[in-house]
Amino acid sequence: EPEVTQTPSHQVTQMGQEVILRCVPISNHLYFYWYRQILGQKVEFLVSFYNNEISEKSEIFDDQFSVERPDGSNFTLKIRSTKLEDSAMYFCASSLGGRSEKLFFGSGTQLSVL
Amino acid sequence: AQSVTQPDIHITVSEGASLELRCNYSYGATPYLFWYVQSPGQGLQLLLKYFSGDTLVQGIKGFEAEFKRSQSSFNLRKPSVHWSDAAEYFCAVASGTYKYIFGTGTRLKVLA
Repeated sequence: EPEVTQTPSHQVTQMGQEVILRCVPISNHLYFYWYRQILGQKVEFLVSFYNNEISEKSEIFDDQFSVERPDGSNFTLKIRSTKLEDSAMYFCASSLGGRSEKLFFGSGTQLSVL
Repeated sequence: AQSVTQPDIHITVSEGASLELRCNYSYGATPYLFWYVQSPGQGLQLLLKYFSGDTLVQGIKGFEAEFKRSQSSFNLRKPSVHWSDAAEYFCAVASGTYKYIFGTGTRLKVLA
C-alpha cells in the first residue's frame, strides 16, 4: 500500500526557534492535512490544504504556523517561534478526495520543545 | 458543534475474548464515520468507514462496526481478539469536506 512519509521522526528544538516538519504525501492525492497529538490527548486537526491553498484551519493554527507545498511532492508545516506547548506528535495525512475518503497518515514527527 | 466521544480510556481483554469499543458522535447531518488504529510508533491506519448503506460495516483485521442513528453510536467490535490487536483505537467523524474530528481514543490491552 502507498505510504505518507514524514521526516524527521524526532525533532528537538529550543523555545523560540523555528522548525519545519516535512511530509511527502501519496503522489496522486489532492488533499493534504496536518494533525497533532499532545501526549495522552486526542488527535487534533490543524489545517487542510487543497489546490495550493489552505481550505480549512483550526483555532490552534495561528499566525506562527504556516504550510507550504514547495514542489510537486513535499508538504511542509513551519512553526515560526516554537513554544513549550507545541510539543506534540505531528501527523501529516493525505487523501484522494474529500469528506468520505480514507485519510492516509504518516508515522508522525515527535516534536519536543525545550 | 460536532464531537466524538469515546467513553472508555482503557480496556483490557483476554486473548480470544470478544471486544466492543464504544463511540458516540454529535453531528447534524448524515455522518461519515471512521475507526482508526494506532500501534506504538506508527501512524493511524484506517480499520473501516461508514457513510451510507448497510449499517453494519466490515473492516480489516476482522473488525466490524455498527452505525446506530437512534443512539448516535458507531461501536467497533471483534469476535475474538488477538494479542496483536493491542493498540490505541480512534473513532472519527468527517466534519465538512476537509476536517476530521477524532475522539480521545481507547487504549486496548490484551492479556495472554
